[in-house]
Amino acid sequence: GQNIDQPTEMTATEGAIVQINCTYQTSGFNGLFWYQQHAGEAPTFLSYNVLDGLEEKGRFSSFLSRSKGYSYLLLKELQMKDSASYLCAVGGNSGYALNFGKGTSLLVTP
Amino acid sequence: DTAVSQTPKYLVTQMGNDKSIKCEQNLGHDTMYWYKQDSKKFLKIMFSYNNKELIINETVPNRFSPKSPDKAHLNLHINSLELGDSAVYFCASSQGQGAIGYEQYFGPGTRLTVT
Repeated sequence: GQNIDQPTEMTATEGAIVQINCTYQTSGFNGLFWYQQHAGEAPTFLSYNVLDGLEEKGRFSSFLSRSKGYSYLLLKELQMKDSASYLCAVGGNSGYALNFGKGTSLLVTP
Repeated sequence: DTAVSQTPKYLVTQMGNDKSIKCEQNLGHDTMYWYKQDSKKFLKIMFSYNNKELIINETVPNRFSPKSPDKAHLNLHINSLELGDSAVYFCASSQGQGAIGYEQYFGPGTRLTVT
């Protein structure tokens, strides 16, 4: 089975840095994804990690430690438009099923 | 051009009715999915199709029947609707296996309300 945990809510200030953590326990592992979902909209892809380490993409970075079952999404220079839900997802054994955590709702305040 | 489209965007219906949601993607992808997002925003995989063949059925009641007439379409038919079926249903597609590195593209969602 899959168990994916992430904080329910976080608040941060515009211009700051925020780290959203995700821990997982899975029977199979094919990589870890982060998706962003604004209220009332569809999820959109942010990042994919399959090897340990940090992947940087502009203001967003994602880190993975497979031995610890741990990932984080780092958002720098926060903007108001970053207020959204951030979904951690793990690929299962089949390669086709993506299992999502319950999401972290991030509120960026002025 | 919309990459993944769904119709209708909103669907309000009564318990016991049968309804369908249509999904089309113009990205040329091989794999399509249906997800259910409940009121707590938990996004859960329901079905996955690859080249019109069912790959994943995640213990979804058999009142839900997906149909893929071709690679670009994956429709969802729901029989005997129940209150607990109220949710937002997202269709998605990916070029390859969406759990192994391939980005999934989501449609705008269909908000289903069962009264």
